Amino acid sequence: ATQMTQSPSSLSASVGDRVIITCRASQGIRNDLGWYQQKSGKAPKLLIYAASTLQSGVPSRFSGSGSGTDFTLTITSLQPEDFATYYCLQDYTYPRTFGQGTKVEV
Amino acid sequence: EEQVVESGGGLVQPGGSLRLSCEASGFSLSSYQMHWVRQAPGRGLEWVSSLGEKNTGIYYVESVKGRFTISRDNAKNSLYLQMNSLRAEDTAVYYCARDFDHRQNSLYYDSFDIWGQGTLVTVSS
Repeated sequence: ATQMTQSPSSLSASVGDRVIITCRASQGIRNDLGWYQQKSGKAPKLLIYAASTLQSGVPSRFSGSGSGTDFTLTITSLQPEDFATYYCLQDYTYPRTFGQGTKVEV
Repeated sequence: EEQVVESGGGLVQPGGSLRLSCEASGFSLSSYQMHWVRQAPGRGLEWVSSLGEKNTGIYYVESVKGRFTISRDNAKNSLYLQMNSLRAEDTAVYYCARDFDHRQNSLYYDSFDIWGQGTLVTVSS
């Protein structure tokens, strides 16, 4: 199975900060990667697919980059509603695998 | 509005069975690949199973192979997960998710674009 190593596992940030989360695949996955946001007690929400394409309705302060094995999610100017846990998901091969998650907190 | 709603969770003893349902509205579930994803209490997300369009492309995470079965009833616009021989480690919130294919430059990219609210399965004696 393709392992997804996400870092950091948690980070402290303030409103207005720039946040960068990384995800590394154990093998090349082209750009078959998505990023998801999950708030406490809620279902995950799709932010980005194909590594860098913003899902409709998602604010432009979110961006993704990368290809092959290394990927990043960047949040420019963190907003209060962005405090949540973020997951990467590779959809290149089965089994689908998520990163361990990154909790963004105050 | 396009949405999915899960049901069927509950408390079950180890070794028992449970069938989860995921009913879609606002779209035809038969036109999409569908997934089950679970989240154990305080843990991260884990993909469990997928069912492709036309009931092809069935996949499972290794830990549930031989115990779980994914299926679909197009007439009821519903997805199911039959879970047998349940173990304590199957305790989790189970989410149903739609897989939407985005076409870019002649390639297709998956995305889990619609999720349900989840249904809790607790395996305990």
